Parts: sequence; C-alpha cells; structure tokens
Amino acid sequence: RKEVEQDPGPFNVPEGATVAFNCTYSNSASQSFFWYRQDCRKEPKLLMSVYSSGNEDGRFTAQLNRASQYISLLIRDSKLSDSATYLCVVTLSMNYGGSQGNLIFGKGTKLSVKP
Amino acid sequence: ETGVTQTPRHLVMGMTNKKSLKCEQHLGHNAMYWYKQSAKKPLELMFVYNFKEQTENNSVPSRFSPECPNSSHLFLHLHTLQPEDSALYLCASSQEGAAGANVLTFGAGSRLTVL
Repeated sequence: RKEVEQDPGPFNVPEGATVAFNCTYSNSASQSFFWYRQDCRKEPKLLMSVYSSGNEDGRFTAQLNRASQYISLLIRDSKLSDSATYLCVVTLSMNYGGSQGNLIFGKGTKLSVKP
Repeated sequence: ETGVTQTPRHLVMGMTNKKSLKCEQHLGHNAMYWYKQSAKKPLELMFVYNFKEQTENNSVPSRFSPECPNSSHLFLHLHTLQPEDSALYLCASSQEGAAGANVLTFGAGSRLTVL
C-alpha cells in the first residue's frame, strides 16, 4: 500500500470553479500534514500546513480527517494561476521530520484551470 | 542571494563523465537534503545532512556521492551514471528542532540528462 496516495488527475476546470483534492495516508502515527504547490518545471513550494481543526488561507481551505486518514484541499473561485501540481506531504514527527527522512510526498495532483 | 540556490540548472553528461551539483542555502537552516524527482513518481529522498552529519542515505547507488562541507553548502558528485538517472535533482533545507521543522525550502533544481 502506498504511503501517501493522491489522484494524479489532471483536473481540468474552468476559471471560477471550485475544485477539491484528497490525499490518503497509510501510517496512523502521522503527525504533520502539508500541501505543496509545484509549477511546471519549477521547485515545490509550501502552500499551507494542515491543522487538525482545519484552516483557511484566502481561497484555499485545508482539512484533516485523522479517523479516515485523509487530508483535503479545497480551492474556491479558481484562477488561471492556480494551474500547478499539488503535492500532499505527511510526516511522523512534529519537530524532526525532514532530518529523520520522515517526510513522505505523494505523487501530486495536477490541476489545469482553463479560461 | 536569498533562499536555496542550485547550480547548474541544466546538465547533460555522458555515462563516463564526472560532474557535481552544487547547492547553497542562505536561510541559516541546519538540515539539507537531496531529492530526486522523476516523471510520474513521488519525490525520492536521497540524502539528508543535519548539522553537516549525514543522517539518511536512502539506499542510493554509490555512483551518487554527497558532500556537505558546512551547514550552508551541499554537493552531489556524479560519476558513471546511467540513462535512468536522468531526472530533476532538488536540493532543500529546513530548520530541524523548531516549530516549522518539517517545512522544506527547495532550490530550483538541477535537470540532469544522462546520454
């Protein structure tokens, strides 16, 4: 079973649409969760962390469901500039994820927003 | 310069060549990473250095040799590579042991083609 699983897409949506991505993780001991965004031929960049209570940043809403072991990202009123691949990232540690090799990346979900 | 810088951005090499990828971070972070990104695969962790000491070597073939002379610089020495090693090599850094420890800042990547 893959550790972090995402629907690869592509999701092709018109401008202004609302689109949602899900990500499931296999390790129930996972502690921290993130969404990264990767533009075509660029590096991944942190989009937002995902908190237990859910969190919002402008048009973006992230939610965590520990019982079902999935996280979601909702994009409202999508813009052309939202076109990118969205990577789900899960880690087992709050403070020592990266250096212990505990950051697990999904393959990413590709979003294409059309005029 | 700010953030994480990688050179060269593009590299084409034959299987018998020896080359090196360079990464420098200007963020004062204490951990640095090499990731490999191939098409349709999740980011693969290759090496992790925490305070200049290697903490992870994710079963990477010996034709890839990392070097971390100080906490700001990271190299990846390449020799006798195979065509299947062609990929985007991403350097990243993070501040371990602190809030936000799991957040990686990536460089723009070095796109490697092995002929």
